[in-house]
Order: sequence, then structure tokens, then C-alpha cells
Amino acid sequence: EDQVTQSPEALRLQEGESSSLNCSYTVSGLRGLFWYRQDPGKGPEFLFTLYSAGEEKEKERLKATLTKKESFLHITAPKPEDSATYLCAVPVDWNNAGNMLTFGGGTRLMVKP
Amino acid sequence: KAGVTQTPRYLIKTRGQQVTLSCSPISGHRSVSWYQQTPGQGLQFLFEYFSETQRNKGNFPGRFSGRQFSNSRSEMNVSTLELGDSALYLCASSKTGGPTDTQYFGPGTRLTVL
Repeated sequence: EDQVTQSPEALRLQEGESSSLNCSYTVSGLRGLFWYRQDPGKGPEFLFTLYSAGEEKEKERLKATLTKKESFLHITAPKPEDSATYLCAVPVDWNNAGNMLTFGGGTRLMVKP
Repeated sequence: KAGVTQTPRYLIKTRGQQVTLSCSPISGHRSVSWYQQTPGQGLQFLFEYFSETQRNKGNFPGRFSGRQFSNSRSEMNVSTLELGDSALYLCASSKTGGPTDTQYFGPGTRLTVL
């Protein structure tokens, strides 16, 4: 069964204090890994897609990396506006068709000024 | 380009009632997926539609159903509501519906069952 686990569940940082969020997965043949950001009461906002081990993508203060077992979301010099829940997800392969995601539980990031 | 829209944004119902939620995908997107988000279970896949056909369904009871129209708009229905159905219901659309196609989420419908 495909599983996605995120750690830590919650992370408090001071503004400017860099850190990393972890997403580990067990899937039979990874076809991609997605990162989303979700603000309270809103839908997830797409950040990155990573397709193969060794791939990296960056957007402002965020950098996502992928290995064969896990993905990291590195946050460099975070600002209070980076506070949100960060979700990772992988496609489910029930019948090699369709567009379904299995999500991790998320990491709630709080950045204090 | 307009994003995914969902209506209504908030709903309050009582146990035993039924509810219909609506989703309009991004223009040109043919796949629509529905997810349920609760504090205890997180985000869970409900079902996915492509070209008016349900391709996949998650592990939810038959009280949860949906459909997709020829313009790709989708509705989901929950009959005989239970307290545990209180959740944020999210709709996501993708262009081709392929397994690695990016899904873009709407703002969600917050359903409260009393």
C-alpha cells in the first residue's frame, strides 16, 4: 500500500532561521512527488513536482529535493508569510490510469518575527 | 486564467439530510478529483472524473457519489449525512488527467453537520 509520511508534524522557526521538512514515501514505482502549501481555510496551492531522484526545484525561499525514499523541502531564511501547512503527495497507481493523490499528514510551519 | 471554483463555500446541514457540492474546473481541464479533508484523517481521495466517467473511487461509503457534465463541471452528493461527514471538501482539476499531471485545487466547501 502506498504510504506518505511527513515530519515533523509542526515546526516553529524564528524569522531567518533556515530548516528542512521531510516527506518519506513507500510506493511501487514512483512516478512523481508533489509539494503543496495550504493556508488555513483555503485549498492547497501547488508548489513543485519532482519526477526522479536527484531532481531539485526552487521557488523564492523554497527548494525541493528528491531521493529514492524521501523528499525534502528546504526553507532558507523564512519570513512570517511562509507560515502555512506544507503537504506532499504521490500519485496512486491502482490501475495505471487516473489522477489520484495520496497525501502525507502535512507539516505545520510557524515563523515568528 | 480563472482558477478552480467551488460553491457553496460554507454549508450547515443536519444529520439525515443530503447535500450537493459544485465544482468548476480551470478552463480546458478535463479531469476533476474530489478530496475530503478532516483534522483526524487529513486529505483523502474521494473520486475522480474524466470525460463524464468516474475512473476511480476512494474508500468511502456509497452515500458519497458524484458526476461530471459535458463542460467538465462536477458535482458531488452526500446522502443521509452523518456527523462524521463534517469536513472541508476540496475539488481539484488537471488538464489531461494523467497520473503525474498537476492537480490544482479550489478553495473548498466547508460542510458542517449538526
